Amino acid sequence: DIVMTQSPDSLAVSLGERATINCKSSQTILYSSSNRNYLAWFQHKPGQPPKLLLYWASTRESGVPDRFSGSGSGTDFTLTISSLQAEDVAVYYCQQYFSAPFTFGPGTKVEIK
Amino acid sequence: QVQLEQSGTEVKRPGASVRVSCRTSGYPFTDSHLHWVRQARGQGLEWMGWVNPHSGSAQYAQKFKDRLTLTRDTSSSTAYMELSGLRSDDTAFYYCAKSVRGSFYVVNWGQGTLVTVSS
Repeated sequence: DIVMTQSPDSLAVSLGERATINCKSSQTILYSSSNRNYLAWFQHKPGQPPKLLLYWASTRESGVPDRFSGSGSGTDFTLTISSLQAEDVAVYYCQQYFSAPFTFGPGTKVEIK
Repeated sequence: QVQLEQSGTEVKRPGASVRVSCRTSGYPFTDSHLHWVRQARGQGLEWMGWVNPHSGSAQYAQKFKDRLTLTRDTSSSTAYMELSGLRSDDTAFYYCAKSVRGSFYVVNWGQGTLVTVSS
């Protein structure tokens, strides 16, 4: 199984400041023939189902604000919230969909400083 | 629009089984895989498995292989998750989720079903 790790476990950021979350896979999730990274990012708030933010590591889902961006390739990835808003308080998960089981990272809790 | 509607809260005794349904609408049911993900209290998201609505085939995370059965009913566009041998640590919210056609990233989610296992 591909193991996903995230750092930090939690972070507190001032409103309007940048938040950066890292995600690492235990093996490459870059499919060479398509040059696509099989990585998604989700936002999860209490009492709600998770929400897809990004897929293919950096493609924003329809309706997701452009302050959310993703980067990275192979085994190392980053989710950046360029200017944190109050509504961004949530737990963020990366997930690989390169090979089943489609494992999630342990999550990063984002709070307001 | 795509909708996934899950069945309601369940309370079960240890050792029992639970069946959660996920009724879909708004898209061709056989076009996209349906996944099951759970979240125990204070824990992260855990992928359990998926079912291919077209063929009925399923794939399970090793952890659940002996206890989990994923099925579907094409006549009602509904997927089912049955977990047997329930333990207290199976207490969680269970979500069904639909991936996009042709890939496995999940876009649409059900509202979640709370399953509580308690004696």
